[in-house]
Amino acid sequence: AQSVSQHNHHVILSEAASLELGCNYSYGGTVNLFWYVQYPGQHLQLLLKYFSGDPLVKGIKGFEAEFIKSKFSFNLRKPSVQWSDTAEYFCAVNGAAGNKLTFGGGTRVLVKP
Amino acid sequence: DTEVTQTPKHLVMGMTNKKSLKCEQHMGHRAMYWYKQKAKKPPELMFVYSYEKLSINESVPSRFSPECPNSSLLNLHLHALQPEDSALYLCASSQGGTGKFQPQHFGDGTRLSIL
Repeated sequence: AQSVSQHNHHVILSEAASLELGCNYSYGGTVNLFWYVQYPGQHLQLLLKYFSGDPLVKGIKGFEAEFIKSKFSFNLRKPSVQWSDTAEYFCAVNGAAGNKLTFGGGTRVLVKP
Repeated sequence: DTEVTQTPKHLVMGMTNKKSLKCEQHMGHRAMYWYKQKAKKPPELMFVYSYEKLSINESVPSRFSPECPNSSLLNLHLHALQPEDSALYLCASSQGGTGKFQPQHFGDGTRLSIL
């Protein structure tokens, strides 16, 4: 079975600070990895995805993530956050057949102006 | 705005009622999904349809009954729900069938409250 662990439940930081959210997954085979964001009152939106190739993936809104296979990790980063980045961030893995997406517990990020 | 449309946005129902949640997408996606999201928790997969056929049922109680009338529509029929079923119900879709690991696109959800 596949599982995803996000280390931080809540993160509070000031504008212009750098952000890094941890994500570790557990699955024995080839995986596809995703970061989704859920802004307050809005639907889940795809930030970025990793299927294969370059392990450093760039997504929308200045986010990037690095897949480190040896560490089973897919951490999300942004060099300089804005107040509008306040949201909940979910890491997700898809390795099993049937496009079954398993989400991590989520990290609530609050950016103070 | 999301390209996956869910109706209604809010639903309050009693435990003896029968209601349905609807989901529609016109992106030509052939895989559609129902998720349940409790407050401050991640979405949990309930059902997956691939090419209008049910391919995954995550041991969901029979009081939830999915239906996929065509490639653009996905329904979730509700009957005799319990208070603990109150949650945000999310619909998603992805390109191709479930054999292709394409990103899922989510709707805004239906917030369901059971009295």
